[in-house]
Amino acid sequence: QLQLQESGPGLVKPSETLSLTCTVSGGSISSNSFYWGWIRQPPGKALELIGNIYYSGSSYYKPSLKSRVTISVDTSTNQVSLKLSSVTAADTAVYYCARDRDYGNYDYWGQGTLVTVSS
Amino acid sequence: QSALTQPASVSGSPGQSITISCTGTSSDLGSYSLVSWYQHHPGKAPKLMIYEVSQRPSGVSNRFSGSKSDNTASLTISGLQAEDEAVYYCCSYAGSRSSVFGPGTEVTVL
Repeated sequence: QLQLQESGPGLVKPSETLSLTCTVSGGSISSNSFYWGWIRQPPGKALELIGNIYYSGSSYYKPSLKSRVTISVDTSTNQVSLKLSSVTAADTAVYYCARDRDYGNYDYWGQGTLVTVSS
Repeated sequence: QSALTQPASVSGSPGQSITISCTGTSSDLGSYSLVSWYQHHPGKAPKLMIYEVSQRPSGVSNRFSGSKSDNTASLTISGLQAEDEAVYYCCSYAGSRSSVFGPGTEVTVL
């Protein structure tokens, strides 16, 4: 059974960089034709796709976040990483990683990790 | 990209059927038959319930069904059970590997 687990600091200071890692177990991130996505949910708001990436490195970023986001994969450790720079309070959210089986059908999700941006 | 629109809450008695609507635009729901629905219990990972408008993943009860007409998709839960109480999110592909989600609908079993 595929499992995804997000990890990283729960508190980040404004203007700093948020860094999260998604560790995938029970399967290889480089197998088949799946994309791997980062999705977040600010308090009281809708889920928001931040971006996704193929194991080869081909990626998509939400246009409004593109200048601040980097998503990468490490096939040797079976991990997908998210970096979001110059964070503000508006970036406070629960961050999820998920597998995209195709065209936005996210069939496996992590439990999510709350990241608060505050000084 | 704007979020899809969903009702904040829907309720029903055990055994009844309920339907959750999800409204988008001609750029997302109206252009693609790539709508998915997720069930989310607090503190747990969201679970894919429906994909490609009406397809159920293996292991999902056939009490869950989906449909779409123009810019609106719907999730119907029949034979409502206490375990169905959760927040349900819709999602639509929006082209170029992007997707847009709804704000979620809280389902309450009375």
